[in-house]
Amino acid sequence: DTGVSQDPRHKITKRGQNVTFRCDPISEHNRLYWYRQTLGQGPEFLTYFQNEAQLEKSRLLSDRFSAERPKGSFSTLEIQRTEQGDSAMYLCASNNLGVSQSTGELFFGEGSRLTVL
Amino acid sequence: RKEVEQDPGPFNVPEGATVAFNCTYSNSASQSFFWYRQDCRKEPKLLMSVYSSGNEDGRFTAQLNRASQYISLLIRDSKLSDSATYLCAVGQRGNNRLAFGKGNQVVVIP
Repeated sequence: DTGVSQDPRHKITKRGQNVTFRCDPISEHNRLYWYRQTLGQGPEFLTYFQNEAQLEKSRLLSDRFSAERPKGSFSTLEIQRTEQGDSAMYLCASNNLGVSQSTGELFFGEGSRLTVL
Repeated sequence: RKEVEQDPGPFNVPEGATVAFNCTYSNSASQSFFWYRQDCRKEPKLLMSVYSSGNEDGRFTAQLNRASQYISLLIRDSKLSDSATYLCAVGQRGNNRLAFGKGNQVVVIP
């Protein structure tokens, strides 16, 4: 399977714990995106990388959230001191575009579902 | 005003009928438009891009109305397997992300 893969698929944690999600994009894709989706809502943009550079962060990405893409390949999204409001599906997507090109189609992974108790 | 707005429904459609829904966007600089399909608890998957001249893919037809700032999706001869949420996504020049609506939930009834 050469699509976007995310790990873990499901995570249940207690409030206050830290969690980390990993995303492996499609191998030739230079852009990687993180979105969050809660029940009844569409995906909400969190952040995106062009290769290893994090070029945009949403105001939704509080100080407790940090994302990295150290070698321009896989990415991690860490949430520190989780809160119940962080419960959501965290979706990773990728595509292959130049810096000056506007966003085209996104290829999504299956998501990492977080439940904070 | 939200960037992208959709009436979540649900849209209950008899099998074989036609259903259509719109998605409005707020930024006139928007330049890329997509419809995604999302099944329950699954990831969104691209259904079709939306071109200025409108486009059709089998039973699905997408239209863009720049003057009124909306896109539409029409599904003809609805199948039970069309039951899903249809997400509208809009991209803007110089803004390297897609903004999504809440989705239109379609339930095809036998």
